[in-house]
Amino acid sequence: QSALTQPPSASGSPGQSVTISCTGTSSDVGGYNYVSWYQQHPGKAPKLMIYEVSKRPSGVPDRFSGSKSGNTASLTVSGLQAEDEADYYCSSYAGSNTPYVFGTGTKVTVL
Amino acid sequence: EVQLVESGGGLVQPGGSLRLSCAASGFTFSSYWMHWVRQAPGKGLVWVSRINSDGSSTSYADSVKGRFTISRDNAKNTLYLQMNSLRAEDTAVYYCATNSGSYWEYWGQGTLVTVSS
Repeated sequence: QSALTQPPSASGSPGQSVTISCTGTSSDVGGYNYVSWYQQHPGKAPKLMIYEVSKRPSGVPDRFSGSKSGNTASLTVSGLQAEDEADYYCSSYAGSNTPYVFGTGTKVTVL
Repeated sequence: EVQLVESGGGLVQPGGSLRLSCAASGFTFSSYWMHWVRQAPGKGLVWVSRINSDGSSTSYADSVKGRFTISRDNAKNTLYLQMNSLRAEDTAVYYCATNSGSYWEYWGQGTLVTVSS
């Protein structure tokens, strides 16, 4: 099972929006509504930001939103803030053999 | 408060062995499937292994199959990863984590394993 494809980097000024894509196949992203997104600051564990494509856990600001079309999922961060600067990873369920696959990661920089 | 605390990482020579532990608290450990996920330095997250709630079923990534063994002790609320025949490419931070089936909910802080001579 190959990693899901994300752009290596994305950036925006404070207050702007940034969208990160996560491209897989019909065996993972396209086959299940089990795409989730994680924020990871340096030296820290990943933190859940979006689950089941577009649901937000309690405590995550509504500036974070998710969507999916076909084999590509997306995370949008609106109203960028300095604390949003981090690495972001997508993840998808991928079936019974290798059940979970992660994205290659995107470094978001707030200019 | 949910806590997952990994331990057991360190420096090991190629071909060596190491056992990681993950102590869980703040939730009903025996009800959760548990996983190990690793992250090589400067790289992305990779799923390694999972075990069902009572320990009767396990799965592994192809890269570790036959070398790593996942297990758990529900009486001690502890998850384990026995790693044998270690290779340089196994160097990574190893996280224990829960997954409800659709997302990674709880993560430990990770433990670093370095395989080098």
